Amino acid sequence: DAKTTQPNSMESNEEEPVHLPCNHSTISGTDYIHWYRQLPSQGPEYVIHGLTSNVNNRMASLAIAEDRKSSTLILHRATLRDAAVYYCILRGVTQGGSEKLVFGKGTKLTVNP
Amino acid sequence: KAGVTQTPRYLIKTRGQQVTLSCSPISGHRSVSWYQQTPGQGLQFLFEYFSETQRNKGNFPGRFSGRQFSNSRSEMNVSTLELGDSALYLCASSLSRGNNEQFFGPGTRLTVL
Repeated sequence: DAKTTQPNSMESNEEEPVHLPCNHSTISGTDYIHWYRQLPSQGPEYVIHGLTSNVNNRMASLAIAEDRKSSTLILHRATLRDAAVYYCILRGVTQGGSEKLVFGKGTKLTVNP
Repeated sequence: KAGVTQTPRYLIKTRGQQVTLSCSPISGHRSVSWYQQTPGQGLQFLFEYFSETQRNKGNFPGRFSGRQFSNSRSEMNVSTLELGDSALYLCASSLSRGNNEQFFGPGTRLTVL
């Protein structure tokens, strides 16, 4: 399984943008980049995913480098509720499909009031 | 639409016993995956079920097993419990197989004494 590298922790202030980096230098051409987050005492929650182009949704934006070896999850205005562990995950397209998610250690985001 | 539900939420067992955990996916979702989360190993994939068949299995001993019913509900069973099986067991459902968003339940916290 392809691996991702994320900083162990990051800190941000409330209402400021947050850029969470992820390196995935061994990504293959068919790997999608997914982000999930896990709030305290909850199961993981889907945030966003993309393949090559930058993606936006109501929660966040995903910026993907041109060579696809890295990506950045952008929270435009951090709130206290965004404090969580953020996981960057590569998902390949396998024959017949697969729901297996390979989680790394993720980045623990602390948001200061 | 109701989310993924898991029962029980908390469970205490002793070594050598067996346990069965239950997961009800979101209505209409046909794929169910199970994960184990511990402080030391993080989130690890256990197995995936689709159409009542196990499609993918993680690197866990045969003491860990599961099944899926025709209504997509799933159970996982752990026999001959060990202290190291103490963990949060998470269930996730998705519409079908492939690069779909997975929806996680709140988990079952299992403590083995």
